[in-house]
Amino acid sequence: ILNVEQSPQSLHVQEGDSTNFTCSFPSSNFYALHWYRWETAKSPEALFVMTLNGDEKKKGRISATLNTKEGYSYLYIKGSQPEDSATYLCAFGAAGANNLFFGTGTRLTVIP
Amino acid sequence: DVKVTQSSRYLVKRTGEKVFLECVQDMDHENMFWYRQDPGLGLRLIYFSYDVKMKEKGDIPEGYSVSREKKERFSLILESASTNQTSMYLCASSLQPRGTEAFFGQGTRLTVV
Repeated sequence: ILNVEQSPQSLHVQEGDSTNFTCSFPSSNFYALHWYRWETAKSPEALFVMTLNGDEKKKGRISATLNTKEGYSYLYIKGSQPEDSATYLCAFGAAGANNLFFGTGTRLTVIP
Repeated sequence: DVKVTQSSRYLVKRTGEKVFLECVQDMDHENMFWYRQDPGLGLRLIYFSYDVKMKEKGDIPEGYSVSREKKERFSLILESASTNQTSMYLCASSLQPRGTEAFFGQGTRLTVV
Protein backbone atom coordinates (compact mmCIF):
# COMPACT_ATOMS: atom_id res chain seq x y z
CA ILE A 1 0.00 0.00 0.00
CA LEU A 2 1.48 3.34 -1.03
CA ASN A 3 1.01 6.39 1.15
CA VAL A 4 -1.04 9.20 -0.39
CA GLU A 5 -1.75 12.09 1.93
CA GLN A 6 -4.17 14.95 1.50
CA SER A 7 -4.37 18.14 3.48
CA PRO A 8 -6.27 19.67 5.00
CA GLN A 9 -8.78 17.00 6.01
CA SER A 10 -11.58 19.54 5.86
CA LEU A 11 -12.10 23.23 5.47
CA HIS A 12 -14.85 25.77 5.42
CA VAL A 13 -14.62 28.83 3.19
CA GLN A 14 -16.90 31.73 2.44
CA GLU A 15 -18.55 32.00 -0.96
CA GLY A 16 -16.22 33.89 -3.26
CA ASP A 17 -13.02 32.86 -1.47
CA SER A 18 -10.31 31.06 -3.37
CA THR A 19 -8.84 27.95 -1.82
CA ASN A 20 -6.36 25.18 -2.45
CA PHE A 21 -5.61 21.67 -1.24
CA THR A 22 -2.53 19.48 -1.32
CA CYS A 23 -1.96 15.88 -2.33
CA SER A 24 1.39 14.28 -1.42
CA PHE A 25 2.52 11.02 -2.99
CA PRO A 26 5.72 8.97 -3.40
CA SER A 27 8.16 10.75 -5.71
CA SER A 28 9.48 7.52 -7.17
CA ASN A 29 7.77 5.25 -9.71
CA PHE A 30 5.30 7.92 -10.77
CA TYR A 31 2.81 7.06 -13.49
CA ALA A 32 -0.25 9.29 -13.04
CA LEU A 33 -2.07 11.52 -10.57
CA HIS A 34 -5.87 11.82 -10.56
CA TRP A 35 -8.23 14.31 -8.91
CA TYR A 36 -11.90 13.46 -8.28
CA ARG A 37 -14.81 15.41 -6.85
CA TRP A 38 -17.28 13.46 -4.74
CA GLU A 39 -20.51 15.23 -3.91
CA THR A 40 -22.80 13.83 -1.25
CA ALA A 41 -25.17 11.14 -2.57
CA LYS A 42 -23.43 11.12 -5.96
CA SER A 43 -20.63 9.16 -7.60
CA PRO A 44 -17.04 10.43 -7.57
CA GLU A 45 -16.33 12.24 -10.85
CA ALA A 46 -12.95 12.79 -12.42
CA LEU A 47 -11.61 16.32 -12.56
CA PHE A 48 -8.11 15.75 -13.90
CA VAL A 49 -5.65 13.02 -14.83
CA MET A 50 -2.07 14.27 -14.98
CA THR A 51 0.93 12.32 -16.15
CA LEU A 52 3.78 14.78 -16.78
CA ASN A 53 5.89 16.71 -14.30
CA GLY A 54 4.91 20.38 -14.49
CA ASP A 55 1.43 19.59 -15.86
CA GLU A 56 -1.16 22.24 -15.22
CA LYS A 57 -4.79 21.53 -15.98
CA LYS A 58 -7.84 23.75 -15.77
CA LYS A 59 -11.59 23.20 -15.84
CA GLY A 60 -13.59 26.35 -15.29
CA ARG A 61 -12.66 27.77 -11.89
CA ILE A 62 -10.74 24.65 -10.86
CA SER A 63 -7.12 24.03 -11.73
CA ALA A 64 -4.38 21.63 -10.69
CA THR A 65 -0.61 21.49 -10.81
CA LEU A 66 1.76 18.57 -10.58
CA ASN A 67 5.31 18.20 -9.28
CA THR A 68 6.40 14.59 -9.66
CA LYS A 69 10.00 15.19 -8.54
CA GLU A 70 8.95 16.34 -5.09
CA GLY A 71 5.75 14.31 -4.99
CA TYR A 72 2.91 16.78 -4.66
CA SER A 73 -0.06 18.19 -6.52
CA TYR A 74 -2.16 21.23 -5.73
CA LEU A 75 -5.83 21.70 -6.54
CA TYR A 76 -7.04 25.30 -6.70
CA ILE A 77 -10.60 26.59 -6.69
CA LYS A 78 -11.05 30.22 -7.62
CA GLY A 79 -14.07 32.10 -6.29
CA SER A 80 -15.63 29.16 -4.42
CA GLN A 81 -19.36 28.61 -4.85
CA PRO A 82 -21.74 26.56 -2.67
CA GLU A 83 -21.96 23.95 -5.44
CA ASP A 84 -18.21 23.35 -5.01
CA SER A 85 -18.96 21.78 -1.64
CA ALA A 86 -17.74 18.19 -1.92
CA THR A 87 -14.95 15.85 -0.95
CA TYR A 88 -11.95 16.13 -3.26
CA LEU A 89 -9.95 12.94 -3.69
CA CYS A 90 -6.56 12.48 -5.21
CA ALA A 91 -5.28 9.13 -6.43
CA PHE A 92 -1.75 8.09 -7.30
CA GLY A 93 -0.90 5.63 -10.04
CA ALA A 94 2.48 3.99 -9.65
CA ALA A 95 4.59 2.47 -12.36
CA GLY A 96 4.52 -1.28 -11.90
CA ALA A 97 1.16 -1.31 -10.13
CA ASN A 98 -2.16 -1.96 -11.84
CA ASN A 99 -4.37 0.20 -9.69
CA LEU A 100 -4.74 3.62 -8.06
CA PHE A 101 -3.96 4.50 -4.46
CA PHE A 102 -6.39 7.03 -3.01
CA GLY A 103 -5.90 9.66 -0.37
CA THR A 104 -8.49 10.17 2.36
CA GLY A 105 -9.82 13.33 0.73
CA THR A 106 -10.34 16.97 1.59
CA ARG A 107 -13.90 17.85 2.53
CA LEU A 108 -14.75 21.37 1.35
CA THR A 109 -17.76 23.29 2.61
CA VAL A 110 -18.54 26.61 0.95
CA ILE A 111 -20.67 28.85 3.14
CA PRO A 112 -23.10 31.10 1.23
CA ASP B 1 -23.95 9.27 -21.13
CA VAL B 2 -21.47 6.71 -19.80
CA LYS B 3 -22.62 4.67 -16.89
CA VAL B 4 -21.50 2.40 -14.14
CA THR B 5 -24.51 0.97 -12.37
CA GLN B 6 -24.54 -0.82 -9.06
CA SER B 7 -27.47 -3.08 -8.34
CA SER B 8 -28.46 -1.66 -4.97
CA ARG B 9 -28.11 1.69 -3.24
CA TYR B 10 -28.77 0.33 0.23
CA LEU B 11 -28.61 -3.23 1.58
CA VAL B 12 -29.16 -4.71 5.01
CA LYS B 13 -27.96 -8.28 5.53
CA ARG B 14 -27.57 -10.61 8.46
CA THR B 15 -24.28 -11.92 9.79
CA GLY B 16 -23.31 -15.11 7.99
CA GLU B 17 -25.34 -14.44 4.84
CA LYS B 18 -23.74 -14.68 1.42
CA VAL B 19 -24.03 -11.27 -0.24
CA PHE B 20 -23.72 -10.39 -3.91
CA LEU B 21 -22.99 -6.84 -5.07
CA GLU B 22 -23.39 -6.38 -8.80
CA CYS B 23 -21.81 -3.79 -11.05
CA VAL B 24 -22.42 -3.21 -14.74
CA GLN B 25 -20.65 -0.77 -17.08
CA ASP B 26 -21.62 0.18 -20.61
CA MET B 27 -18.29 1.62 -21.81
CA ASP B 28 -16.62 -1.61 -22.96
CA HIS B 29 -13.86 -1.03 -20.38
CA GLU B 30 -11.50 -3.89 -19.66
CA ASN B 31 -10.63 -2.74 -16.16
CA MET B 32 -13.10 -2.88 -13.28
CA PHE B 33 -12.57 -2.30 -9.57
CA TRP B 34 -14.28 -2.78 -6.24
CA TYR B 35 -13.47 -0.37 -3.40
CA ARG B 36 -14.79 0.13 0.06
CA GLN B 37 -14.92 3.51 1.72
CA ASP B 38 -14.83 3.92 5.48
CA PRO B 39 -14.63 7.17 7.44
CA GLY B 40 -11.08 8.43 7.78
CA LEU B 41 -9.64 5.67 5.61
CA GLY B 42 -10.40 6.74 2.06
CA LEU B 43 -11.08 4.35 -0.79
CA ARG B 44 -9.42 0.98 -0.34
CA LEU B 45 -9.16 -1.49 -3.17
CA ILE B 46 -10.69 -4.91 -2.57
CA TYR B 47 -10.27 -6.57 -5.97
CA PHE B 48 -9.86 -5.56 -9.56
CA SER B 49 -10.21 -7.27 -12.89
CA TYR B 50 -8.35 -6.43 -16.10
CA ASP B 51 -10.20 -8.85 -18.36
CA VAL B 52 -12.98 -11.40 -18.38
CA LYS B 53 -12.24 -14.17 -15.85
CA MET B 54 -9.08 -12.34 -14.73
CA LYS B 55 -8.80 -10.87 -11.26
CA GLU B 56 -6.21 -9.56 -8.85
CA LYS B 57 -6.37 -9.01 -5.13
CA GLY B 58 -6.26 -5.46 -3.91
CA ASP B 59 -5.25 -4.22 -0.48
CA ILE B 60 -8.07 -5.79 1.55
CA PRO B 61 -9.35 -8.97 -0.19
CA GLU B 62 -9.97 -11.04 2.95
CA GLY B 63 -13.58 -12.12 3.27
CA TYR B 64 -14.39 -11.21 -0.34
CA SER B 65 -14.33 -12.86 -3.72
CA VAL B 66 -15.22 -11.61 -7.19
CA SER B 67 -16.59 -12.88 -10.45
CA ARG B 68 -16.20 -11.51 -13.98
CA GLU B 69 -17.90 -13.80 -16.46
CA LYS B 70 -18.77 -11.03 -18.92
CA LYS B 71 -16.83 -7.90 -19.77
CA GLU B 72 -19.55 -5.52 -18.62
CA ARG B 73 -20.29 -7.14 -15.26
CA PHE B 74 -18.13 -7.40 -12.14
CA SER B 75 -19.59 -8.94 -9.02
CA LEU B 76 -18.33 -8.69 -5.46
CA ILE B 77 -19.22 -11.58 -3.17
CA LEU B 78 -19.13 -11.56 0.60
CA GLU B 79 -18.88 -15.25 1.37
CA SER B 80 -20.16 -14.94 4.95
CA ALA B 81 -21.05 -11.39 5.85
CA SER B 82 -19.69 -9.99 9.10
CA THR B 83 -20.41 -6.76 10.92
CA ASN B 84 -16.95 -5.40 10.08
CA GLN B 85 -17.96 -5.49 6.42
CA THR B 86 -20.55 -2.79 7.04
CA SER B 87 -19.35 -0.08 4.67
CA MET B 88 -19.89 1.89 1.47
CA TYR B 89 -18.89 -0.17 -1.57
CA LEU B 90 -17.97 1.54 -4.83
CA CYS B 91 -17.49 -0.06 -8.20
CA ALA B 92 -15.44 1.63 -10.93
CA SER B 93 -14.30 0.98 -14.46
CA SER B 94 -11.61 2.50 -16.65
CA LEU B 95 -10.05 2.13 -20.05
CA GLN B 96 -6.59 1.85 -18.51
CA PRO B 97 -5.92 0.92 -14.87
CA ARG B 98 -3.91 4.06 -14.04
CA GLY B 99 -3.60 6.45 -16.97
CA THR B 100 -7.23 7.25 -17.71
CA GLU B 101 -10.06 8.43 -15.52
CA ALA B 102 -12.11 5.99 -13.53
CA PHE B 103 -15.90 6.05 -13.76
CA PHE B 104 -17.69 5.20 -10.55
CA GLY B 105 -21.04 3.74 -9.68
CA GLN B 106 -23.33 5.41 -7.19
CA GLY B 107 -22.20 3.18 -4.33
CA THR B 108 -23.90 0.54 -2.21
CA ARG B 109 -24.21 1.20 1.48
CA LEU B 110 -24.18 -2.23 3.09
CA THR B 111 -25.16 -2.76 6.69
CA VAL B 112 -24.52 -6.16 8.25
CA VAL B 113 -26.52 -6.77 11.41
